[in-house]
Amino acid sequence: AQSVAQPEDQVNVAEGNPLTVKCTYSVSGNPYLFWYVQYPNRGLQFLLKYITGDNLVKGSYGFEAEFNKSQTSFHLKKPSALVSDSALYFCAVQYNFNKFYFGSGTKLNVKP
Amino acid sequence: DVKVTQSSRYLVKRTGEKVFLECVQDMDHENMFWYRQDPGLGLRLIYFSYDVKMKEKGDIPEGYSVSREKKERFSLILESASTNQTSMYLCASSPRGGLKAEAFFGQGTRLTVV
Repeated sequence: AQSVAQPEDQVNVAEGNPLTVKCTYSVSGNPYLFWYVQYPNRGLQFLLKYITGDNLVKGSYGFEAEFNKSQTSFHLKKPSALVSDSALYFCAVQYNFNKFYFGSGTKLNVKP
Repeated sequence: DVKVTQSSRYLVKRTGEKVFLECVQDMDHENMFWYRQDPGLGLRLIYFSYDVKMKEKGDIPEGYSVSREKKERFSLILESASTNQTSMYLCASSPRGGLKAEAFFGQGTRLTVV
């Protein structure tokens, strides 16, 4: 069975500092992993995905994610956080060719 | 610009009412989804449709049904609304053979059942 864990409910970081939002997964077969962002009272927006190839994936708004097969992790990163990055972030794994299983979400707070 | 549109941003309904949540996508996607979002629980799949008139139950289908009569439209129905169905509902779509393809989400409907 597939699962995704986001171990931190909230991450606090100062503007300009690097940020990491953690995600670990469990899936049978090849993992197809995604990150989404949700701003208040809005739907989810796609940030990036890992399908195959390079373990470092670059996405929208300066975000990137590092895939680590041995640790079954897919952590979201950004070198320099902005206040406008404050939002809810979801990690997801794709399974059964079409469906997505989402983590519980991590609230990112970036303070000026 | 791709779009998934949910008919209402906010809804307030009474216990026992039949509630319809509508979703339309303009991307000619075969797959459509209804998720429910609750704090600390993330998104949970209610129903999935992979073609017109085709549907599969997700993880939490109890108390819900769906209808997909046209490719672009996917409706979620609460047969008899209850207070524990107060939540944010998110519709999404993705292409068939959608392995590796991301889903596109609507803006969400915040439903309150009183």
